[in-house]
Amino acid sequence: QAGLTQPPSVSKGLRQTATLTCTGNSNNVGNQGAAWLQQHQGHPPKLLSYRNNKRPSGISERFSASRSGNTASLTITGLQPEDEADYYCSTWDNSLSAWVFGGGTKLTVL
Amino acid sequence: QVQLQQWGAGLLKPSETLSLTCAVYGGSFRGYYWSWVRQPPGKGLEWIGQINHSGNTNYNPSLKSRVTISVDTSKNQFSLKVNSVTAADTAVYYCAGAVVVTAMAYWYFDLWGRGTVVTVSS
Repeated sequence: QAGLTQPPSVSKGLRQTATLTCTGNSNNVGNQGAAWLQQHQGHPPKLLSYRNNKRPSGISERFSASRSGNTASLTITGLQPEDEADYYCSTWDNSLSAWVFGGGTKLTVL
Repeated sequence: QVQLQQWGAGLLKPSETLSLTCAVYGGSFRGYYWSWVRQPPGKGLEWIGQINHSGNTNYNPSLKSRVTISVDTSKNQFSLKVNSVTAADTAVYYCAGAVVVTAMAYWYFDLWGRGTVVTVSS
């Protein structure tokens, strides 16, 4: 199943800004946008943003998302140690009639 | 607040059938599309399939031949069966609820169970 493309890893320093990317095509990200999930080791994923830039209640404003064409982005400002986690993008693919996930990006906060 | 509670056998032998159930508490069962998602050890998330309250299903094409997802609206539960399991089916299995509002471009997984570790080994 064709998925979304994410860089495997990103490393940034404490209090810096990290931008994670997620590339799909016109059948998924380009049409439906993307949602972002955060997963800490041993825990289920947690929704961070949806419809490209909306945050659920309780999610810090340090997390912001956007989309340009077939690529979605998640920007995390003022990196904190607790931001170290795996980040996944996801959306529905109209062509496959299936949910698709990115392979995940492991964010390391130095 | 909607919560998901999942259960099922955690240790299987090759060729057996994996069976998991997820119960939805505290919210609208009809308002979500209910999915199963798995995560092999050290790997990413893989969508298995989904069902809605009406019983309409979609499956991952790579798993479709072995997977059945069913729903029991009287109990607010949905279930997963995977036939003829192999070691490649070893993973943490999550039940999840997705919000889908096409007119507003809402496509996202909002709810997650705690996960069930399933190991396939002879």
